[in-house]
Amino acid sequence: GENVEQHPSTLSVQEGDSAVIKCTYSDSASNYFPWYKQELGKRPQLIIDIRSNVGEKKDQRIAVTLNKTAKHFSLHITETQPEDSAVYFCAASTSGGSYIPTFGRGTSLIVHP
Amino acid sequence: NAGVMQNPRHLVRRRGQEARLRCSPMKGHSHVYWYRQLPEEGLKFMVYLQKENIIDESGMPKERFSAEFPKEGPSILRIQQVVRGDSAAYFCASSPVDRGTEAFFGQGTRLTVV
Repeated sequence: GENVEQHPSTLSVQEGDSAVIKCTYSDSASNYFPWYKQELGKRPQLIIDIRSNVGEKKDQRIAVTLNKTAKHFSLHITETQPEDSAVYFCAASTSGGSYIPTFGRGTSLIVHP
Repeated sequence: NAGVMQNPRHLVRRRGQEARLRCSPMKGHSHVYWYRQLPEEGLKFMVYLQKENIIDESGMPKERFSAEFPKEGPSILRIQQVVRGDSAAYFCASSPVDRGTEAFFGQGTRLTVV
């Protein structure tokens, strides 16, 4: 099955700095890569996703990049704000068929004001 | 659209009791996934169901755990004879039948075994 590795486990930045979270996956058939944000005590919520036919996607301060050859993808947050503090999860899955998102272990992002 | 609804939000059970966790998917969604989240850990896949069918239960412990998604009503995750190690947050997610892409999560059920 799919295996997703996520690094770092904890990331501490100053407000205004950029944050980068990296993930690798093992199954070359995976073609859908969502990122979820989970605030303390709340549900994971999708913040951005990317499909295998695209190398990069941007939404305001958030961007994702995908390198299918190397099987890794990254989340970039620019101009971080204290409200960005949360746990971020990457996931990989195959759309269609038996779609089961496999998640990384999460990155706890702390943005210091 | 009310979103994915899970209940109860918090559940306390004594060792040896049964825990029943319920999940109502978003309207129009027929794919349901259950995940377990332990402190400081990620979301561990347990089981994937469609209406009246278990599609993949490779992440579910072989004993004491079962899941169903009947034709009518919510999906149920049942844990029999709970032990302390079952204490965790259990999340349900659903996705629409015609996409198989984004999964929408419920608020989770936090199970505490005392």
